[in-house]
Amino acid sequence: TQLLEQSPQFLSIQEGENLTVYCNSSSVFSSLQWYRQEPGEGPVLLVTVVTGGEVKKLKRLTFQFGDARKDSSLHITAAQPGDTGLYLCAGEAGDYQLIWGAGTKLIIKP
Amino acid sequence: NAGVTQTPKFQVLKTGQSMTLQCAQDMNHNSMYWYRQDPGMGLRLIYYSASEGTTDKGEVPNGYNVSRLNKREFSLRLESAAPSQTSVYFCASSETAYEAFFGQGTRLTVV
Repeated sequence: TQLLEQSPQFLSIQEGENLTVYCNSSSVFSSLQWYRQEPGEGPVLLVTVVTGGEVKKLKRLTFQFGDARKDSSLHITAAQPGDTGLYLCAGEAGDYQLIWGAGTKLIIKP
Repeated sequence: NAGVTQTPKFQVLKTGQSMTLQCAQDMNHNSMYWYRQDPGMGLRLIYYSASEGTTDKGEVPNGYNVSRLNKREFSLRLESAAPSQTSVYFCASSETAYEAFFGQGTRLTVV
């Protein structure tokens, strides 16, 4: 059974601080996606990483796919209150199915 | 720009009642999915449909049935609701393995 473990489960920090969220597995994924979910809404895709070692940047967010394609990280620089939300990682498991992590609930305090 | 539309948004059922959750997408995607989301457990796949005319079980299919009515619509039915089915249900669609588009969710409470 493929599993994705996210850490930390919960993070509350002050505006302007930096943070990193991790997504780890013992399985290899052909691609990995990061989503953000706001209260009362469905998840929205932030980025997809495909190649081992790949780094993608989305403004203040930096996403990295591990060399072995088993893990990924999301780093936020100078966090803003608008970054508050639930961050979910999902790994492609074949047949268009995704394996989901349990999520990291992020709160950025002004 | 509707994307994925789910109805209803909220529902309260009594144990043993039945209901159907509706989902429609206007992006001409082949694949559609039903997930449930419970606190601390992420999204769990109930059923999916890789293309019109096909449906397959996901991780947690017991107690549910689905119908892929046409390319746009994918419904989820609870025949005899149980308190363990209290959850938030999300419908999603995709054309590639790299991006899923989600509806706003249905918040279901079974009492």
